[in-house]
Amino acid sequence: KQEVTQIPAALSVPEGENLVLNCSFTDSAIYNLQWFRQDPGKGLTSLLLIQSSQREQTSGRLNASLDKSSGRSTLYIAASQPGDSATYLCAGRGQTGANNLFFGTGTRLTVIP
Amino acid sequence: GAGVSQSPSNKVTEKGKDVELRCDPISGHTALYWYRQSLGQGLEFLIYFQGNSAPDKSGLPSDRFSAERTGGSVSTLTIQRTQQEDSAVYLCASSPYLGGAYEQYFGPGTRLTVT
Repeated sequence: KQEVTQIPAALSVPEGENLVLNCSFTDSAIYNLQWFRQDPGKGLTSLLLIQSSQREQTSGRLNASLDKSSGRSTLYIAASQPGDSATYLCAGRGQTGANNLFFGTGTRLTVIP
Repeated sequence: GAGVSQSPSNKVTEKGKDVELRCDPISGHTALYWYRQSLGQGLEFLIYFQGNSAPDKSGLPSDRFSAERTGGSVSTLTIQRTQQEDSAVYLCASSPYLGGAYEQYFGPGTRLTVT
């Protein structure tokens, strides 16, 4: 079974800083990896999707990388803003079985104005 | 366009009662997933549907849980004889195709509290 770990569990940074969120997974046989943000009491908003054949994806101030061989993905947020405060979740999709997503427990980010 | 919708947004029920949670996927999405997010834990997969194929129920925690998907669109998750450990946020997601290349889009969830 795929195990997904996110470190750190919580992170506070001053506004304007660049930051990196980490995600590691135990089974390199993933189909793709997806990063989400979750605001308190809300559902998940998809941020970036990286296919297994890709190494990174970019959207605005966000850049996600994927290294299957080491079982790691990172989410880089440039010039952080208070509106970026949320919980960030990474999830890997397996190559077999139900093709469901295996989620990490998330990193709770607080950007201090 | 309209996203995934779920109802009710909140549900409080007494232990032992049955509950039904509803999910309306994005129109045209053939794959539909149910997940559960318990306090302090990550999201766990429950069940998925793809078109008219038999659902994959491998994530359902007990036989008190069941789900249906009518006409390849709306889905209902039913929990019978609810227990306090069933308290969680139940999230539904849909994607255009099961093939794996597509993102899953999530609804806002139903917060279930069993008293």
